[in-house]
Amino acid sequence: LAKTTQPISMDSYEGQEVNITCSHNNIATNDYITWYQQFPSQGPRFIIQGYKTKVTNEVASLFIPADRKSSTLSLPRVSLSDTAVYYCLVGEGFQKLVFGTGTRLLVSP
Amino acid sequence: EAQVTQNPRYLITVTGKKLTVTCSQNMNHEYMSWYRQDPGLGLRQIYYSMNVEVTDKGDVPEGYKVSRKEKRNFPLILESPSPNQTSLYFCASRPGLESEQYFGPGTRLTVT
Repeated sequence: LAKTTQPISMDSYEGQEVNITCSHNNIATNDYITWYQQFPSQGPRFIIQGYKTKVTNEVASLFIPADRKSSTLSLPRVSLSDTAVYYCLVGEGFQKLVFGTGTRLLVSP
Repeated sequence: EAQVTQNPRYLITVTGKKLTVTCSQNMNHEYMSWYRQDPGLGLRQIYYSMNVEVTDKGDVPEGYKVSRKEKRNFPLILESPSPNQTSLYFCASRPGLESEQYFGPGTRLTVT
């Protein structure tokens, strides 16, 4: 089971791009990388998932280098409402998914 | 509306009094899971189910039971709750192994 390491917290300002990096040195061949967002007292919400290279959707981009030992979630032009905890998950399927403690992002005016 | 529902949302109980937290999803998802969330520890998986009558332990299964008698429901059972089970609990479901999980609103449980 691949363990992930993320920064505990990050600060940013409205309108800036935020990049959160997750380290997963023991990622297995079949593992996907998934990011979730969680607001206080709410369940996590899926942001993006990828296997390699780059994935982009309407809210974020996910960059995965060739060795897949890390990944970077990129949030373009953050707003106050992006203040949340962001979790990086690595795993195959459903077995024993580990969320870790996440990265607490604080966006200020 | 596609959703995962949990009941109750808040519960205060006493040590040893059996309780059940219900979880239901209306998306016909195969996979369901229970997590607990504690300060400084993130979310930890308690149990998961890959289909009706198929369940398995997650990272922290001690003190919990689950059942999956029908696809839409996945109740979490605490036979004899203890104070260390005071936590915020989330149920989640997903349609496939590599797909996103949909989380319920959470159940805040306090055991005194």
